Amino acid sequence: EIVMTQSPATLSVSPGERVTLSCRASQSVTSNLAWYQQKPGQAPRLLMYGASTRATGIPARFSGSGSGTEFTLTISSLQSDDFAVYYCQQYYNWPFTFGQGTRLEIK
Amino acid sequence: EVHLVESGGGLVQPGGSLRLSCSASGFTFSSYTMHWVRQAPGKGLEYVSGIPSNGGSAYYADFVKGRFTISRDNSKNTLYLQVSSVRPEDTAVYYCVKGRLVPGANVLEYWGQGTLVTVSS
Repeated sequence: EIVMTQSPATLSVSPGERVTLSCRASQSVTSNLAWYQQKPGQAPRLLMYGASTRATGIPARFSGSGSGTEFTLTISSLQSDDFAVYYCQQYYNWPFTFGQGTRLEIK
Repeated sequence: EVHLVESGGGLVQPGGSLRLSCSASGFTFSSYTMHWVRQAPGKGLEYVSGIPSNGGSAYYADFVKGRFTISRDNSKNTLYLQVSSVRPEDTAVYYCVKGRLVPGANVLEYWGQGTLVTVSS
């Protein structure tokens, strides 16, 4: 099983700041990496797939990069709506696995 | 607009069974791989099972293999998850999720709001 590790677990940031979230895979997943955003009481929402392709309706301030085992999700200028938990997921190999999540908190 | 509406959750005793359903609309259901993902209270996401568009070979996480069965009825635009021999650790919100078209079939594109399964005596 491929283990996905996200860092940090929690990030306290101010609106307007640029933030980078990290996701590491225990073995290569090539570009088969997705990011999801989940707000309290809501279902997750797909942000990014193929490591760097934004999903439908996702603002351009979200960008993804990486391949192999190291991936990042960058939010260029945090909006109040972006404070949430972010998960990465590999879909390269069964069983598909998620990271444990990074919580973005308002500083 | 894609709509996924789960139902069938509730309180079940350890060892008991439930059938979860997911009614889909707003897309050609028979063309997409569908998935179930769960989330225990206060915890992260856990992939449970997936089934290809034609209802062929499904895949299951090890922790549900032999206990859960995924199925679909393309004539009714409905996805199912038969949950049996449940354990307290199966307590979670179960989400129905639509995949993208191949080759992104296992990208979890649209999520329902979830149905809560609580396993307790």
